[in-house]
Amino acid sequence: QKEVEQNSGPLSVPEGAIASLNCTYSDRGSQSFFWYRQYSGKSPELIMSIYSNGDKEDGRFTAQLNKASQYVSLLIRDSQPSDSATYLCAARWPSNYQLIWGAGTKLIIKP
Amino acid sequence: DAGVTQSPTHLIKTRGQQVTLRCSPKSGHDTVSWYQQALGQGPQFIFQYYEEEERQRGNFPDRFSGHQFPNYSSELNVNALLLGDSALYLCASSLGLGATTNYGYTFGSGTRLTVV
Repeated sequence: QKEVEQNSGPLSVPEGAIASLNCTYSDRGSQSFFWYRQYSGKSPELIMSIYSNGDKEDGRFTAQLNKASQYVSLLIRDSQPSDSATYLCAARWPSNYQLIWGAGTKLIIKP
Repeated sequence: DAGVTQSPTHLIKTRGQQVTLRCSPKSGHDTVSWYQQALGQGPQFIFQYYEEEERQRGNFPDRFSGHQFPNYSSELNVNALLLGDSALYLCASSLGLGATTNYGYTFGSGTRLTVV
């Protein structure tokens, strides 16, 4: 049973601080990992994808992947109130083509 | 460049009825996946269409069926609606089945289905 797990939160972070979001997955065979942001009532929006161990940076966002420990994280630097949303982690295995999603972590950035 | 388009945006149906949701993929994409997202949950995979065939299916009953047309657009049909089918239905398009690519999915804005 392939699973992706996230702490549902809410995670409250002061404006300007670093927000750290974590995700674990059950099967080492997973190949690709994605972080999506979803505002209330809206569809998920892709923030970053990561496939290799290590860090990947894009602007204020850094994704980190550790396949040995089976976790992937997302760091948001200089957090802004507009970053307040639910962040969904998704994984894809090469044995099939679907995304397996976590339930999401609700992030609240306090001004 | 048009993104993924879904219609309708909102829908209210009665238990036992049937519903059809529609999706047009992003320009250049040929694969369509459908997801169901209940309130407070992550999306759950329903099925994926590529080359007009259902390629993968999640753990959903046969009441859920779909179709892909030659222009890559897709429909999701749900028969004998239950109250538990109330959810946001998301369509996501991508290029290829994903086994050999690492592209993420582009989502449409979703159809909010309410079954009463």
